[in-house]
Amino acid sequence: DARVTQTPRHKVTEMGQEVTMRCQPILGHNTVFWYRQTMMQGLELLAYFRNRAPLDDSGMPKDRFSAEMPDATLATLKIQPSEPRDSAVYFCASAPTRQGTFGGELFFGEGSRLTVL
Amino acid sequence: AQSVTQLDSHVSVSEGTPVLLRCNYSSSYSPSLFWYVQHPNKGLQLLLKYTSAATLVKGINGFEAEFKKSETSFHLTKPSAHMSDAAEYFCVVSLASGGSYIPTFGRGTSLIVHP
Repeated sequence: DARVTQTPRHKVTEMGQEVTMRCQPILGHNTVFWYRQTMMQGLELLAYFRNRAPLDDSGMPKDRFSAEMPDATLATLKIQPSEPRDSAVYFCASAPTRQGTFGGELFFGEGSRLTVL
Repeated sequence: AQSVTQLDSHVSVSEGTPVLLRCNYSSSYSPSLFWYVQHPNKGLQLLLKYTSAATLVKGINGFEAEFKKSETSFHLTKPSAHMSDAAEYFCVVSLASGGSYIPTFGRGTSLIVHP
């Protein structure tokens, strides 16, 4: 049963600490998205990659957030230093590409719930 | 540019009664449209999708949606609500641009089902 795997599922940390969230996309999917979900803002697109290359990270606070795909099986989202306002659920989603496009359907992981004290 | 508006932040129904979750979109071109469901503490799961085939789309768990281009709507319906349908529902519009699709999510509609 292919699925997107995210770790950690829950993380509690103190302000100023570095946080790294990881995502394993579905094998063969070469488009990966990072979303943040909060009650106030809903779902926000932070960044996305196609074939490991970042295509858009305009949704991320550049000074503290960074997203990478070291290889096709791993995407990371790092926050350094973390702040209480970063508390949210962070979702990774992957999608297949057909003829250069992915058709639109996303496959979501279960999310990483981050609490910054 | 594209956008999607979910007209109700909360919808409350009784078990066994019909469900209607409303979604309007704005898109310069023919979009792909989706409905996702999110149960508490879970990720989002695809309910159904429209990609320029039949305008009435059937999804999982008895849900369906009708694409109406003249009204720029893609409302989600179900004839009879079940307690397990209580969740957050997201309407999504996705437009091809430069070989990529960027999905745009609505703010979500919380479906509450009363016994």
